[in-house]
Amino acid sequence: NAGVTQTPKFRVLKTGQSMTLLCAQDMNHEYMYWYRQDPGMGLRLIHYSVGEGTTAKGEVPDGYNVSRLKKQNFLLGLESAAPSQTSVYFCASSWTSGADTQYFGPGTRLTVL
Amino acid sequence: AQSVTQPDIHITVSEGASLELRCNYSYGATPYLFWYVQSPGQGLQLLLKYFSGDTLVQGIKGFEAEFKRSQSSFNLRKPSVHWSDAAEYFCAVGAPGYALNFGKGTSLLVTP
Repeated sequence: NAGVTQTPKFRVLKTGQSMTLLCAQDMNHEYMYWYRQDPGMGLRLIHYSVGEGTTAKGEVPDGYNVSRLKKQNFLLGLESAAPSQTSVYFCASSWTSGADTQYFGPGTRLTVL
Repeated sequence: AQSVTQPDIHITVSEGASLELRCNYSYGATPYLFWYVQSPGQGLQLLLKYFSGDTLVQGIKGFEAEFKRSQSSFNLRKPSVHWSDAAEYFCAVGAPGYALNFGKGTSLLVTP
């Protein structure tokens, strides 16, 4: 039982490049989330999904897209990376919404030059 | 909408001393409250949570938190801190149908 896994762990991009972060969970959770963590800012919600095939915007969605084609996977895409997207990205999952425990992945450290 | 404030950005305690991390929330109804811990280079791990019932909640690693509705607080406590407790601590507030709102975190340093 791996819980929540994230791929890759580290990535360096040049401005304008694109990439996709992969999140996978093996707990059969309905809800999945993408957060970014920046110093002094805590965790900010980028996008989330309430089930397979559904996605919704969070607090800071601009510059990101997501897809949830399979229940266990939640992809975060950056179409044209910018230095402001340098951050640590965390994926999480839960059974239900904000009233439930969220289980977090180990994070992806992204640097955009 | 609910929100949470962690007034202390950094806290330093001596090993063996007691610890209290503050968390204040804003929400009109009974909130769902969480404390998470993040060790360096790791993801977040749940320490404890409060939904209803007994206002004193026990968590993992010897932590506890007390819900005080009159003060809109959910402070985290530990009677004796160990060096391994050095980490970032996040308080979060949620409600059914809403996303969790996290505080900005409190960084705990433990000195010998």
